Amino acid sequence: DAGVTQSPTHLIKTRGQQVTLRCSPKSGHDTVSWYQQALGQGPQFIFQYYEEEERQRGNFPDRFSGHQFPNYSSELNVNALLLGDSALYLCASSSDWGRYGYTFGSGTRLTVV
Amino acid sequence: LAKTTQPISMDSYEGQEVNITCSHNNIATNDYITWYQQFPSQGPRFIIQGYKTKVTNEVASLFIPADRKSSTLSLPRVSLSDTAVYYCLVGDPTSGTYKYIFGTGTRLKVLA
Repeated sequence: DAGVTQSPTHLIKTRGQQVTLRCSPKSGHDTVSWYQQALGQGPQFIFQYYEEEERQRGNFPDRFSGHQFPNYSSELNVNALLLGDSALYLCASSSDWGRYGYTFGSGTRLTVV
Repeated sequence: LAKTTQPISMDSYEGQEVNITCSHNNIATNDYITWYQQFPSQGPRFIIQGYKTKVTNEVASLFIPADRKSSTLSLPRVSLSDTAVYYCLVGDPTSGTYKYIFGTGTRLKVLA
């Protein structure tokens, strides 16, 4: 049973560009959450998707947007990249409101130069 | 959301029991306590979750006193591979608006 799959694993972008990160949730999970983790820090909540809608959002600018597809997979889009967007982006999936915990992917390492 | 406080770092030796305590003074009635483990360049991994008293699984135990204002993650007989960051999170997973809020965690280093 595959866990959470994220792609790509690594990415290098230039300031001002746009990027799309992808996530396939664990089988049986219907909720996807995205986190940004800077080096040496804990993951910071970006937003959460359920039934193809953004259910809640953390303190991130509108440059960060997302989407959830009917098969529960999700995308994170970041526009007008800044150097400070360099981080590990983590996707987590869950079911039943996350009462049994979240399953995280290994993340996408984004470097903005 | 209840704020949590954990030690920034801990060192231990192989074979010892490690206890990491988390303080959550303003925990709400419906909040659960969940612990995650994270290795470098990997996503956090669920370890254990509990509401009160004691919970045990194959990798850890979680002790929660009656007032629930703190909790202790216990790792029996640690090995070098247990070197990681451990996060304590508090919240109500049944609320429908639940999201994990991570702090900086506890960096555990296991020495040979």
